Amino acid sequence: KAGVTQTPRYLIKTRGQQVTLSCSPISGHRSVSWYQQTPGQGLQFLFEYFSETQRNKGNFPGRFSGRQFSNSRSEMNVSTLELGDSALYLCASSPGQLSNQPQHFGDGTRLSIL
Amino acid sequence: EDQVTQSPEALRLQEGESSSLNCSYTVSGLRGLFWYRQDPGKGPEFLFTLYSAGEEKEKERLKATLTKKESFLHITAPKPEDSATYLCAVQEYSGYALNFGKGTSLLVTP
Repeated sequence: KAGVTQTPRYLIKTRGQQVTLSCSPISGHRSVSWYQQTPGQGLQFLFEYFSETQRNKGNFPGRFSGRQFSNSRSEMNVSTLELGDSALYLCASSPGQLSNQPQHFGDGTRLSIL
Repeated sequence: EDQVTQSPEALRLQEGESSSLNCSYTVSGLRGLFWYRQDPGKGPEFLFTLYSAGEEKEKERLKATLTKKESFLHITAPKPEDSATYLCAVQEYSGYALNFGKGTSLLVTP
């Protein structure tokens, strides 16, 4: 069974640009969550989607947004990039009906801001 | 205020030397506690979910336990391939987010 797929794996942008990251969940999984991982803050929750609806949002500025499509694939967008947005962005999926089902992670997109 | 605190931050063991990693947490209502393993350049790999105090789960050389305030990940006779960062996360009844600790970086030497 294929795992969570994130594209691209690496991305380099400059300040002020915007970026879109993509996530394909495990087949049959309807919940997709996004996390930011940095050496200083660790893993921090961005948002969670289920059946194209955002059910939960973390404490990040409005520059960070996401969406989910009818096939459960998800994208996250970061506008007006700042140096501090450099991080590993991780996507995780779960079946979704029950919130305490384990989330399975992809290998992330490494975003570097110059 | 941190909801999840892991200790130690780093641990170096000789192959075969058993030890435990600690995850202490503060939540108003625990829906589940999750353990993950993360290798460099990879995403976290799911290991265990614990739901209630007294629960234990085992997988190969790993055993996870849960009390009302903390969880332990016991590593018995570790091998070099067990070297990784071990992450603990809690999920509250109020939402779907996983709140992660900063992790324990484990190095097992031959």
